[in-house]
Amino acid sequence: GENVEQHPSTLSVQEGDSAVIKCTYSDSASNYFPWYKQELGKRPQLIIDIRSNVGEKKDQRIAVTLNKTAKHFSLHITETQPEDSAVYFCAASRPGYALNFGKGTSLLVTP
Amino acid sequence: GAVVSQHPSWVICKSGTSVKIECRSLDFQATTMFWYRQFPKQSLMLMATSNEGSKATYEQGVEKDKFLINHASLTLSTLTVTSAHPEDSSFYICSARDARGRAGNEQFFGPGTRLTVL
Repeated sequence: GENVEQHPSTLSVQEGDSAVIKCTYSDSASNYFPWYKQELGKRPQLIIDIRSNVGEKKDQRIAVTLNKTAKHFSLHITETQPEDSAVYFCAASRPGYALNFGKGTSLLVTP
Repeated sequence: GAVVSQHPSWVICKSGTSVKIECRSLDFQATTMFWYRQFPKQSLMLMATSNEGSKATYEQGVEKDKFLINHASLTLSTLTVTSAHPEDSSFYICSARDARGRAGNEQFFGPGTRLTVL
């Protein structure tokens, strides 16, 4: 089955700096790679996703890159703000299958 | 669009009792729903895949007789935790895929149910 590794487990940055979270996956048939932000006690919130036919996607301060050959994808948050503090999860899935989640990254943005 | 609800949002029960959690897709039809469990400071772990009109597919290590899943319609799946024990205390989250596949692989998450077993 799919195995998703996520690093780092914790990340602390100063407000305004960039944050990068990296994930690797094992199943070459996976074609969907979403990123979720989860605040304490709440559901995961989709912040950006990328499909295997695309190498990069950007939405304002958030970008995701995908390297299919190396089977890794990364989340980039620029100009971080304190409200970006949360736990971020990457995930990967085959078409029609459940999401396989990474272990999460706890991001802390300090003013 | 693509709203998923869960009920109840939290429940406290005594050890040995059963608890039913409902997951509903409010504005779309979902042939497939997924049930996840999340322990504190951990990731979401898939428990089972629920397909409308057929038996659920359980992940390795998840007891199908303890976690009963029913997906009787295209908008409702239920998870029943039978004979709950304190170690079953967790955050249970469902997700659903749009049957028409308009969002591709995207899954829409319910708000979760916090179960506490005393």
